[in-house]
Amino acid sequence: RKEVEQDPGPFNVPEGATVAFNCTYSNSASQSFFWYRQDCRKEPKLLMSVYSSGNEDGRFTAQLNRASQYISLLIRDSKLSDSATYLCSASGTYKYIFGTGTRLKVLA
Amino acid sequence: DGGITQSPKYLFRKEGQNVTLSCEQNLNHDAMYWYRQDPGQGLRLIYYSQIVNDFQKGDIAEGYSVSREKKESFPLTVTSAQKNPTAFYLCASSGLAATHGQFFGPGTRLTVL
Repeated sequence: RKEVEQDPGPFNVPEGATVAFNCTYSNSASQSFFWYRQDCRKEPKLLMSVYSSGNEDGRFTAQLNRASQYISLLIRDSKLSDSATYLCSASGTYKYIFGTGTRLKVLA
Repeated sequence: DGGITQSPKYLFRKEGQNVTLSCEQNLNHDAMYWYRQDPGQGLRLIYYSQIVNDFQKGDIAEGYSVSREKKESFPLTVTSAQKNPTAFYLCASSGLAATHGQFFGPGTRLTVL
């Protein structure tokens, strides 16, 4: 079983839709969690950190559920420019473990 | 402008040759990392370093070597022992506590001919 798992998608959604991704992690000792966005043939860019209390940044909301060991990312009012691959990451003391990413395509 | 730079952006190498990928950061981060990304496999950790003159193997260190002589620099050498070196190589840095996420360089795309 992979330490961090994501549905690879693709998620094809119309503009303006709300879309949610989940990511599960197996190591209960993981301390911090993150979402990254990666455009095709580019480097991942940190989108947001994920806290148990939830974290919102504009149209993006991230949530952590420690009991069930998953994190989620909700994107409201999807834009064409949101089309990308979204990677989740869990960190221990010094190492970060990444999921394989979920592809999102927002359709006009 | 603070950030991470990697060079070159594209690199072509003949089989049997060693090649070194550069990574420099001016974010004053203590920790630096090298990942390899292949299609459909996500990011796999090659090596990481938490402090100058010290580094640890990641999950796929065989065929690679690194050095950390300066805080700002963490070069990766892909040796001829690496069986499938063609990949996208990403360097990243972070604070030591791993609580604020990582920042990535633009990557080097290595192709072995």
